[in-house]
Amino acid sequence: DTAVSQTPKYLVTQMGNDKSIKCEQNLGHDTMYWYKQDSKKFLKIMFSYNNKELIINETVPNRFSPKSPDKAHLNLHINSLELGDSAVYFCASSQNFATNEKLFFGSGTQLSVL
Amino acid sequence: AQSVTQLGSHVSVSEGALVLLRCNYSSSVPPYLFWYVQYPNQGLQLLLKYTTGATLVKGINGFEAEFKKSETSFHLTKPSAHMSDAAEYFCAVSATGSSNTGKLIFGQGTTLQVKP
Repeated sequence: DTAVSQTPKYLVTQMGNDKSIKCEQNLGHDTMYWYKQDSKKFLKIMFSYNNKELIINETVPNRFSPKSPDKAHLNLHINSLELGDSAVYFCASSQNFATNEKLFFGSGTQLSVL
Repeated sequence: AQSVTQLGSHVSVSEGALVLLRCNYSSSVPPYLFWYVQYPNQGLQLLLKYTTGATLVKGINGFEAEFKKSETSFHLTKPSAHMSDAAEYFCAVSATGSSNTGKLIFGQGTTLQVKP
């Protein structure tokens, strides 16, 4: 059983489209995250939710909207996709953000905007 | 503000040689420090972490790292490299105390190449 699973693995789309990436964790964790990895492999946090509540919202364009229907799921919706959105997006989870336990990462979604 | 600097974006060693990946951090509060590894087309996996206590931390796959507060460093080492160690390695710092939000600040990553 995959601990943190995200779909799709690859996403190729045209500029201006709207797309979603889904993430699910079966670890019973309270906290989930979205990280973006650019072409130089630099990783930066975008959002974090704890028990469905937003706790981290970095400087991210408001075209990006996370949604957490329950604490096992954190989806990422992106409106009006731009070329610069091309990157690998990683979902992650941890037991609870306050305890600094390790993060468990999904295998990533490679988004290519043409 | 916290930051992480990994010296050397690319390190190449021979199989059986010592691996040394350098990481320096900046933090105004006591940090928690992590090393993660990323194999091709996979997510990151935790190698080891330092929270409090013993400054020499042992992790998986024979890796270890030493927290040196005076040098603000957390270098990763392995006595003998294996071909399977070839991957991308990331050092990260997390805030503690009241500023803790669980956010990890990552370094730029170091690609480890292992030559036969």
